[in-house]
Amino acid sequence: NAGVTQTPKFQVLKTGQSMTLQCAQDMNHEYMSWYRQDPGMGLRLIHYSVGAGITDQGEVPNGYNVSRSTTEDFPLRLLSAAPSQTSVYFCASSYNRGNSPLHFGNGTRLTVT
Amino acid sequence: AQTVTQSQPEMSVQEAETVTLSCTYDTSESDYYLFWYKQPPSRQMILVIRQEAYKQQNATENRFSVNFQKAAKSFSLKISDSQLGDAAMYFCAYRSKETSGSRLTFGEGTQLTVNP
Repeated sequence: NAGVTQTPKFQVLKTGQSMTLQCAQDMNHEYMSWYRQDPGMGLRLIHYSVGAGITDQGEVPNGYNVSRSTTEDFPLRLLSAAPSQTSVYFCASSYNRGNSPLHFGNGTRLTVT
Repeated sequence: AQTVTQSQPEMSVQEAETVTLSCTYDTSESDYYLFWYKQPPSRQMILVIRQEAYKQQNATENRFSVNFQKAAKSFSLKISDSQLGDAAMYFCAYRSKETSGSRLTFGEGTQLTVNP
């Protein structure tokens, strides 16, 4: 059971480049989400999805797009990278109920120069 | 919107001693869930313990326990018999029972050092 698989682990982009962070889970979780982690700010929610075809914005959505065509996959797209998007990104999933805990991927460290 | 505050950016403890990490939150809701996550240097996010607000009994998981004070909106984590492997960043998190999805609101984190 792989859990939440997130790729790549590291990425360096130049300002203005685009890329997609991949996230897949094999636990049949309805809920998936993307967070960014910055020093002193904890984890902040970028976008989330409660099921295939349904997405919504979190706390810091600007500059990012998501889609959810299948239950398993939830890619995060950076349309035009900016230095302010330098961060560690986490994908997470859970059942959409109660005290079901979030299961996290191992994170992607993104640097935008 | 709910907020979560961890007022201790850094804490240290001697091996085998006990340490308490603080967390406070702000909410107008009466029912919700609270979590503590651990992030070691590997960057992996690991669930430590969880608490449901309607339960008065404090959650316990082996050496980890919480002191949940609902009226004070406080949710502290106590680590007993600290071990070197407990060294990590610890995050407190809140989940509303009312809003859709399993969104978590995280605190800023507390970096715990365990001294041998």
